[in-house]
Amino acid sequence: AQKVTQAQTEISVVEKEDVTLDCVYETRDTTYYLFWYKQPPSGELVFLIRRNSFDEQNEISGRYSWNFQKSTSSFNFTITASQVVDSAVYFCALSEESGGFKTIFGAGTRLFVKA
Amino acid sequence: GAVVSQHPSRVICKSGTSVKIECRSLDFQATTMFWYRQFPKKSLMLMATSNEGSKATYEQGVEKDKFLINHASLTLSTLTVTSAHPEDSSFYICSAHKPRGRGETQYFGPGTRLLVL
Repeated sequence: AQKVTQAQTEISVVEKEDVTLDCVYETRDTTYYLFWYKQPPSGELVFLIRRNSFDEQNEISGRYSWNFQKSTSSFNFTITASQVVDSAVYFCALSEESGGFKTIFGAGTRLFVKA
Repeated sequence: GAVVSQHPSRVICKSGTSVKIECRSLDFQATTMFWYRQFPKKSLMLMATSNEGSKATYEQGVEKDKFLINHASLTLSTLTVTSAHPEDSSFYICSAHKPRGRGETQYFGPGTRLLVL
C-alpha cells in the first residue's frame, strides 16, 4: 500500500532563512511518481515538481531544490532564502502505476515565513 | 499547459438538497479523473476514481450512494452530493489524468467549496 509521511506539521522561519520540508514515502511499486504541491490560502493546488522512480537526479528550480533518495525513500524539498510569499501548505504526494496513478497525499506541512 | 476547470467554484445549499459539481478537462481527453475532498487544515483525501464509460471506483469508507460520480465523456466528470448535510461541507477537488510517453501526470482543478446549511 502506498503511504506518504510528512512529519513536520508546521514550520516557522524568518525571511531569508533556508528551510527543508521532509517527505518519506512507502511503495512496493518499481514505477511510481512523486510530487510536491503548494497550496496557498486560496486553496488551489500549485504544481511544483514531478519526479519518476527511475530518475534520482536532484533538481533545482530557482530558490527551490529537491533531493530524491530511493535508498531512504525520501523526497525532501528545500527553499533557499525563503520569502513571505512562500507561506503556504506544502504537500508531498505519491502516485503508483499499479494503483492506476491515483495520487495519495501526505498530511502537508504548513510553512510560515515571517518578515 | 493543460487546464482543468471546476464548476461551481463555491456553492451554498440547504440541508437535504443535492449538489452537482462539474470537472472538465479543457484541452485534453481524460479517460480517468479523480475526486478528492479536503477538510479545513487537513490533507486531500481521495474519494473515488472516475472512469469514462464505466462505474467509478470508490475508496474505502466513501458512500457511493451519497457521492454519485458520472464520467459521461472524455472531458467531463460530475460529482453529485446527494441529500447533503452540514458534515458534507468541504473543499472538493478533481484531477484529470493525462497519460504521456513515459509516465503520467495529473492536472488539478481549482476546487469547489461546498457549504451545507
